Amino acid sequence: ETGVTQTPRHLVMGMTNKKSLKCEQHLGHNAMYWYKQSAKKPLELMFVYNFKEQTENNSVPSRFSPECPNSSHLFLHLHTLQPEDSALYLCASRGGEKLFFGSGTQLSVL
Amino acid sequence: KQEVTQIPAALSVPEGENLVLNCSFTDSAIYNLQWFRQDPGKGLTSLLLIQSSQREQTSGRLNASLDKSSGRSTLYIAASQPGDSATYLCAVRFLDSSYKLIFGSGTRLLVRP
Repeated sequence: ETGVTQTPRHLVMGMTNKKSLKCEQHLGHNAMYWYKQSAKKPLELMFVYNFKEQTENNSVPSRFSPECPNSSHLFLHLHTLQPEDSALYLCASRGGEKLFFGSGTQLSVL
Repeated sequence: KQEVTQIPAALSVPEGENLVLNCSFTDSAIYNLQWFRQDPGKGLTSLLLIQSSQREQTSGRLNASLDKSSGRSTLYIAASQPGDSATYLCAVRFLDSSYKLIFGSGTRLLVRP
């Protein structure tokens, strides 16, 4: 186990639903990340938070809304998604130069 | 544009073989390079991290090399085992970015018993 926990592991939602992904780490790290992994494409960085402040938004559509209430928790709120948003969403926290990843949420948008 | 490329996309070898995975990057001004392993449907596990000043790093049967000037890294796996079957990803932190890793698409490795 990496110390980074993501829930739920799997999620199926319709295009009009609202759902949230949760990420939690108790490694004492201050930087947390959301990545998107689509089939046959490299991992795409979505958002970066340092000390609860968003420091990177990689041109992500507004239907994805991140929230970082404290250094241990990170959320990704989803609304009115498109089928092409179906992917594995990975959370990571950073300790020094190393990233520690959660197991991801496999999202399917119908 | 800063890009990371991995070749081959997939590789199948018999158990016991030594093998090499390749990673190339477009800009030699890097801070460091990391190799990750990903099992199906899972997150990534960091295997080796090489700083720009280093030439190689070793961990058990794994050895990663870095040739910054030519924009290349290799991951050498000795005496491969079926448990090594996974996707291996290379990620580069370039000098002009804040902490942001650019990932390759990965090499999917199958080690046959």
